[in-house]
Amino acid sequence: NAGVTQTPKFRVLKTGQSMTLLCAQDMNHEYMYWYRQDPGMGLRLIHYSVGEGTTAKGEVPDGYNVSRLKKQNFLLGLESAAPSQTSVYFCASSLAGGPDTQYFGPGTRLTVL
Amino acid sequence: GEDVEQSLFLSVREGDSSVINCTYTDSSSTYLYWYKQEPGAGLQLLTYIFSNMDMKQDQRLTVLLNKKDKHLSLRIADTQTGDSAIYFCAESIAGTYKYIFGTGTRLKVLA
Repeated sequence: NAGVTQTPKFRVLKTGQSMTLLCAQDMNHEYMYWYRQDPGMGLRLIHYSVGEGTTAKGEVPDGYNVSRLKKQNFLLGLESAAPSQTSVYFCASSLAGGPDTQYFGPGTRLTVL
Repeated sequence: GEDVEQSLFLSVREGDSSVINCTYTDSSSTYLYWYKQEPGAGLQLLTYIFSNMDMKQDQRLTVLLNKKDKHLSLRIADTQTGDSAIYFCAESIAGTYKYIFGTGTRLKVLA
């Protein structure tokens, strides 16, 4: 099992460009999450999904969109990147919600110039 | 409100014990977790404790939970240089999607 994988690992964008981050899990988990990690702020939830075809907003959803067309994939899109979106992005999955354990991907480091 | 707090830094000498502390505010949490993040990597689950337990031991790791004070600690015995990392405390809220993370404690182990 690969667990949770993320592509790409690194990306540099110019302000206004768009991109999509891909998360894939092979554990048949229902719940998937996108977080961003910024220095001194821990992990903040951007969007999450409780099953195929469903998505919902987390704590900091502005400027991001998501899609969960297949159970194993969760995509995070930035339509018009801004420097404030420079961060490390982590995808996670869990069998269901709390208290099931979350499993994390290795992260994507995004820089917006 | 929901909040999880941790101190930012901890430095210990190799072979000593490390104690990383965490306080949380939500009394409806069911599991409390400790994750380890090494440089350039994702979060790796170290251990967890159910909220009706007081203590859990797993090899070099000991988790203590004081529900009255909403205080969680992680003790690492015989700390090694490979234990240098950021440690995150987290809680899950029963029946919801919510997992609330602390800001992380950076542990530095000095040889």
